[in-house]
Amino acid sequence: DAKTTQPPSMDCAEGRAANLPCNHSTISGNEYVYWYRQIHSQGPQYIIHGLKNNETNEMASLIITEDRKSSTLILPHATLRDTAVYYCIVRVTGANSKLTFGKGITLSVRP
Amino acid sequence: EAGVAQSPRYKIIEKRQSVAFWCNPISGHATLYWYQQILGQGPKLLIQFQNNGVVDDSQLPKDRFSAERLKGVDSTLKIQPAKLEDSAVYLCASSLSVHQETQYFGPGTRLLVL
Repeated sequence: DAKTTQPPSMDCAEGRAANLPCNHSTISGNEYVYWYRQIHSQGPQYIIHGLKNNETNEMASLIITEDRKSSTLILPHATLRDTAVYYCIVRVTGANSKLTFGKGITLSVRP
Repeated sequence: EAGVAQSPRYKIIEKRQSVAFWCNPISGHATLYWYQQILGQGPKLLIQFQNNGVVDDSQLPKDRFSAERLKGVDSTLKIQPAKLEDSAVYLCASSLSVHQETQYFGPGTRLLVL
């Protein structure tokens, strides 16, 4: 699976949009971009995934560049409960495909 | 629906002792995963089961770690004997099948080896 690069941390103000970047320059055509997050003392939680089209669900939006070498997770109205470590993961789907977690990006939402 | 259950939530042992963790996945989920998460790092997959068979245990330290899922439902992960470097959070996750994209994680068991 391709490797991802994320800045170690960022912060944003409560109520504002949080834009979390991820680089995956070696992504191949059959690899999806997944985002999970991990709130302190909890297990990781699935947020969203996509292949090449932008995706939106009740939690977030995922914007993937046309060349697929980078993506941005958008939390449209961040709350204090969104403070967590966010992991960007690239993987193929199918049998025996693994989730390989990096260190992620720590998002701190300030009041 | 109920989530992934794990017990105990915390465990403190001395090095060279043995310890076991238990996981009950979401009902109907055929695939079960055990991860190790060392402080400051992301989770690392130790072993993956499909029903009661092992799909991937390539990163499991087999000299001291073992895992089983005898009836294809709940699972236990054992460490014997424990080392200081085994101090970590042990996370269990499940998914409907190996083809299903979303893994659902339990709260984890925090192990401290003294």
